[in-house]
Amino acid sequence: NTKITQSPRYLILGRANKSLECEQHLGHNAMYWYKQSAEKPPELMFLYNLKQLIRNETVPSRFIPECPDSSKLLLHISAVDPEDSAVYFCASSPWDWANTGQLYFGEGSKLTVL
Amino acid sequence: AQSVTQPDARVTVSEGASLQLRCKYSYSATPYLFWYVQYPRQGLQLLLKYYSGDPVVQGVNGFEAEFSKSNSSFHLRKASVHWSDSAVYFCALIGGYGGSGNKLIFGTGTLLSVKP
Repeated sequence: NTKITQSPRYLILGRANKSLECEQHLGHNAMYWYKQSAEKPPELMFLYNLKQLIRNETVPSRFIPECPDSSKLLLHISAVDPEDSAVYFCASSPWDWANTGQLYFGEGSKLTVL
Repeated sequence: AQSVTQPDARVTVSEGASLQLRCKYSYSATPYLFWYVQYPRQGLQLLLKYYSGDPVVQGVNGFEAEFSKSNSSFHLRKASVHWSDSAVYFCALIGGYGGSGNKLIFGTGTLLSVKP
């Protein structure tokens, strides 16, 4: 899916700070961050709609999302923990996508914490 | 509480054989139900969805699923699998609506391996 781009695709960190970036070219109002740990299903972290944070799923405070505009989503990570090693997926959709199924995922950013 | 159970962590079938991946859900009403596929190093892609109407829904690449309210199930089927179907399959439902947006709740996934 080249209409949702994530960068970087791979990230190896010690206890540094870093940001993940996502951009969608689908004209969607809602954007999401999901975390997928090894051999686990994706879990919702944050949901934005029209740049407003709608859901924060009890994520550690070292993860700070930012939505500078409706097409871009950032995830700032500080002082990472080994339990943060996972693939972080960005997704986007129209606000009410249930009937159409129009929720699209990016290819993910794989974070490895040393 | 809403939940999705996929009882089979791994399924192996021979190419050309038929396939059924099982999914059971727990929800107080009829949920929106989905099947997603995840190929290695890729994001999730929607295979099919169900909310109402004909309990058998058709999806992409020859997949179909059957909803059963009495069994609280939404099993995925394919008549003849191809090696390229090897992937992880997730069943999911929407567990939150309205002003808080649509939150997907996933099952734990089933890894499908298709033997040549």
